[in-house]
Amino acid sequence: EAGVAQSPRYKIIEKRQSVAFWCNPISGHATLYWYQQILGQGPKLLIQFQNNGVVDDSQLPKDRFSAERLKGVDSTLKIQPAKLEDSAVYLCASSWETGGRNTEAFFGQGTRLTVV
Amino acid sequence: GQQLNQSPQSMFIQEGEDVSMNCTSSSIFNTWLWYKQDPGEGPVLLIALYKAGELTSNGRLTAQFGITRKDSFLNISASIPSDVGIYFCALKTSYDKVIFGPGTSLSVIP
Repeated sequence: EAGVAQSPRYKIIEKRQSVAFWCNPISGHATLYWYQQILGQGPKLLIQFQNNGVVDDSQLPKDRFSAERLKGVDSTLKIQPAKLEDSAVYLCASSWETGGRNTEAFFGQGTRLTVV
Repeated sequence: GQQLNQSPQSMFIQEGEDVSMNCTSSSIFNTWLWYKQDPGEGPVLLIALYKAGELTSNGRLTAQFGITRKDSFLNISASIPSDVGIYFCALKTSYDKVIFGPGTSLSVIP
């Protein structure tokens, strides 16, 4: 079974530029998550999708961050404009539909963003 | 919001030693998860716990879901160099929102 695919692996941009990350979840997984992981910290949930609908985006800085999952499969996360404090690893994860066991999240390798 | 605390923050142990780390939450949850993250990689699920008091093993790893449902521990027996990494506990809410703790960094000295 193929895992969660993310691209690019690394990105360096200047502050105030825009950037986009792409995620393709495990086939059949209805739930998709985007996390931000700052160096030395645990992953912080930015947004959670169930199919193409948003379940939770309470910690997404909506003035600069946006995410979509239009067809309920792959997803993009965008930052516009980027700030220095956005430097982090952006992790995508997916899981089976909600409820019960065997719905644990599986993670991609992440995209390391450096804002200079 | 929910808060997770992990201890210790970091550990340095000799190869072959046993390791114990724990996690506490400010609220009661029904699912505890333990992940390991290697440098440059995403977290990988080690053990999932679904029931208070549940004790589950995965090779040299053993984890338990505390009776109060507000804590969990992870033990690693006979540590080896590839155990090096950051160990995260995580909770899953009723809407499958997964919240991570701050992590325990493990270093194994050969």
